[in-house]
Amino acid sequence: AQSVTQPDIHITVSEGASLELRCNYSYGATPYLFWYVQSPGQGLQLLLKYFSGDTLVQGIKGFEAEFKRSQSSFNLRKPSVHWSDAAEYFCAVGVTSYDKVIFGPGTSLSVIP
Amino acid sequence: GAVVSQHPSRVICKSGTSVKIECRSLDFQATTMFWYRQFPKQSLMLMATSNEGSKATYEQGVEKDKFLINHASLTLSTLTVTSAHPEDSSFYICSARQQGTAIHFGNGTRLTVT
Repeated sequence: AQSVTQPDIHITVSEGASLELRCNYSYGATPYLFWYVQSPGQGLQLLLKYFSGDTLVQGIKGFEAEFKRSQSSFNLRKPSVHWSDAAEYFCAVGVTSYDKVIFGPGTSLSVIP
Repeated sequence: GAVVSQHPSRVICKSGTSVKIECRSLDFQATTMFWYRQFPKQSLMLMATSNEGSKATYEQGVEKDKFLINHASLTLSTLTVTSAHPEDSSFYICSARQQGTAIHFGNGTRLTVT
């Protein structure tokens, strides 16, 4: 069965600083990996996804993620955080690109002005 | 882009009543939709898979008689929380499968049972 862990429950960074959110997955085959962002009281927005090919994936809002099979990781990064990036971030894994996804517990990001 | 609409976005109901949440794919057909539940400050948990024209598949631990799912058309799935109680208060989100390509999430429904 697939599972996702996000070791950091909460992260606080200063505006303009770099960011890395960690994600580890467990799945027997090549997974489909996703990062979603959720603002308070809002739905989900897809930041980026990885299915195959280049292991460094570019997403929206200046985010990128790197798939490392040897570490079973799919960490999300941003070189310079903006105050509007404060939100909840969920890493997710799926069997395909169009099936149910299993979500990690989420990482709450706070940004200090 | 593909849009999934959820209605209502917020609903308050009294304990013991039932409430229906709709999930619509606006510009594509969705033979499969998924329903998730999110408790405050927690992650999203898959409740069930809704298939057009057939019975929904529920995840372990989800009461199918409490959470009735109907997927009567290729663009609409409904989740009915029956005899709602305060512990059913939660954020419910649906996603719809765009055939062979991707899944798209709705904006969620905040249910408060008083």
